[in-house]
Amino acid sequence: DSGVTQTPKHLITATGQRVTLRCSPRSGDLSVYWYQQSLDQGLQFLIQYYNGEERAKGNILERFSAQQFPDLHSELNLSSLELGDSALYFCASSHPGQAYTDTQYFGPGTRLTVL
Amino acid sequence: AQSVTQPDIHITVSEGASLELRCNYSYGATPYLFWYVQSPGQGLQLLLKYFSGDTLVQGIKGFEAEFKRSQSSFNLRKPSVHWSDAAEYFCAVAPRIQGAQKLVFGQGTRLTINP
Repeated sequence: DSGVTQTPKHLITATGQRVTLRCSPRSGDLSVYWYQQSLDQGLQFLIQYYNGEERAKGNILERFSAQQFPDLHSELNLSSLELGDSALYFCASSHPGQAYTDTQYFGPGTRLTVL
Repeated sequence: AQSVTQPDIHITVSEGASLELRCNYSYGATPYLFWYVQSPGQGLQLLLKYFSGDTLVQGIKGFEAEFKRSQSSFNLRKPSVHWSDAAEYFCAVAPRIQGAQKLVFGQGTRLTINP
């Protein structure tokens, strides 16, 4: 158990819908990262938040957005869903600023199926 | 652009045999290097990481990896595999920027263990 929690574990929805994935980082971690794992694209970095502010952006679609709240939990919002958005979405957290500990620990993931 | 290559998509070894999983990276400077393991239906678990210092790093579950700067490689090894090692293994790199370490992953190597 990494200490990172993600809800829900599974999500099944239809095309055109909007969903919200939630992540709670490890206690004390300030950074949250979101990754998408799909069969054709592999594991890809989407976005990073650090202490409530966006820090880095990767291959995140405009239909996707994220935020990190004052209690440091994060949400990834996916809208106008398409079949190709079906994937496993991981959240990871880390505690930047400490040498050798700025390592990302991953949650169990949310499996999204778009029908 | 940064990239990580895991040349072997699938490897099968017998239980008790030695294992080496290959990883090569393309990066402007020596990045931070990681190996993660993903068991079926599970999240990503950190096996080991290289930040600096000794180029042979020890990880959990009896794994080790050797960083070779001249070959831009970070191969994962285990002297004797166990049936429980069957999983998918991912090599990843991150820039040496504290607090902004988006991971770039390889495509993964699926390990099958023959009894």
